[in-house]
Amino acid sequence: EVQLVESGGNLVQPGGSLRLSCAASGFTFSSYWMHWVRQVPGKGMVWVSRINGDGSSITYADSVRGRFTISRDNAKNTLYLQMNSLSAEDTAVYYCVRDREAYCGGDCGLDYWGQGTLVTVSS
Amino acid sequence: SYELTQPPSVSVSPGQTARITCSGDELPKKYAYWYQQKSGQAPVLVIYEDKKRPSGIPERFSGSSSGTMATLTISGAQVDDEADFYCYSTDTTGNHRGVFGGGTKLTVL
Repeated sequence: EVQLVESGGNLVQPGGSLRLSCAASGFTFSSYWMHWVRQVPGKGMVWVSRINGDGSSITYADSVRGRFTISRDNAKNTLYLQMNSLSAEDTAVYYCVRDREAYCGGDCGLDYWGQGTLVTVSS
Repeated sequence: SYELTQPPSVSVSPGQTARITCSGDELPKKYAYWYQQKSGQAPVLVIYEDKKRPSGIPERFSGSSSGTMATLTISGAQVDDEADFYCYSTDTTGNHRGVFGGGTKLTVL
């Protein structure tokens, strides 16, 4: 069974940093592109970033480029999102999401989602 | 930046057909994907590559795409189908940045 479990969400002050983790199990982690998607409570989904299987290809949404860094540790089956220079606009539930197919190029849609971790940026 | 446009809400009575649209300039060249999100839960993929249904998704869910519009159809909608629905696709810049529609609240009552 595919499982994605996010952690690391917390209350952080504006300008602060936070690192999110996503522990993956039930599939060959290194074979899949992985994504981060965020959702302000009560609002819509926003795609944040994606990374290929070996970490050599990364794409960011314009709203986070230069502030967020996606990475992965295939030995630990774990996806990360390092978030710096946080602002209130980054307050959201952050979801870890798997690409729908292995080796697909990150453009095959998203299938399995974690339950999300809440990041709150406030003073 | 690329945008996908959905109606904010759709309302039907149980047993009726619900249609949710998603409009985007790149949809003639890119697949649309549809996700159902019930209150307090993570999204679930209900349609991929415009019209394919994942295993475990009821047959009443179907998808289509024509030109710049993709459509999710729920035939014989049930009260349990009430949820927010999001379309998803990617841009054509070569970087395949993901894009979600704004979401549609489906009410079945």
